[in-house]
Amino acid sequence: NAGVTQTPKFQVLKTGQSMTLQCAQDMNHNSMYWYRQDPGMGLRLIYYSASEGTTDKGEVPNGYNVSRLNKREFSLRLESAAPSQTSVYFCASSEEGDLWEKLFFGSGTQLSVL
Amino acid sequence: RKEVEQDPGPFNVPEGATVAFNCTYSNSASQSFFWYRQDCRKEPKLLMSVYSSGNEDGRFTAQLNRASQYISLLIRDSKLSDSATYLCVVSTYLDTGRRALTFGSGTRLQVQP
Repeated sequence: NAGVTQTPKFQVLKTGQSMTLQCAQDMNHNSMYWYRQDPGMGLRLIYYSASEGTTDKGEVPNGYNVSRLNKREFSLRLESAAPSQTSVYFCASSEEGDLWEKLFFGSGTQLSVL
Repeated sequence: RKEVEQDPGPFNVPEGATVAFNCTYSNSASQSFFWYRQDCRKEPKLLMSVYSSGNEDGRFTAQLNRASQYISLLIRDSKLSDSATYLCVVSTYLDTGRRALTFGSGTRLQVQP
């Protein structure tokens, strides 16, 4: 059981370049999330998707776009990367109802923007 | 003031010691509380939920104090494998009706032989 799989694990971009972070889960969860983690700060929610076909902004959505391609996949796109987007990115998923707060995370993507 | 505050540590303790972390939260409307564990360069994983009555899972005990708005995590008989960063997580209903999780920045524990 793979859980939540995200790719790539590492990426270096130049300012202005674009890229897409991929995420897939095999737990049949409806809800999926993208977080970023910076030193000295808690994980911050970028975007989330409560179900297939819906997406909503989180705390720090500027500079990002997302696509909920189907129930399994939720991608995060940086259209024009900036040094401020250097961070570790985590995808997560969760069940509905009382268990929604139990998040299952992918192993993370370390992104550096030069 | 941060919504969820934790002492970053590190807490350096010998094997077998008892160690406790606190976490304070600012929103009195917060509903649910959790501790997640994050190993170095790994993803966070749910350690335990925190209930008003307190709850225990083996060597780990979590407590909630709503009046003072803090939660705690107590680890007894520390093991080397307990070395990690412990994230305090708070769930709150927003005005929009949506619920949101707020993560603390974590407390790092280093258990030494």
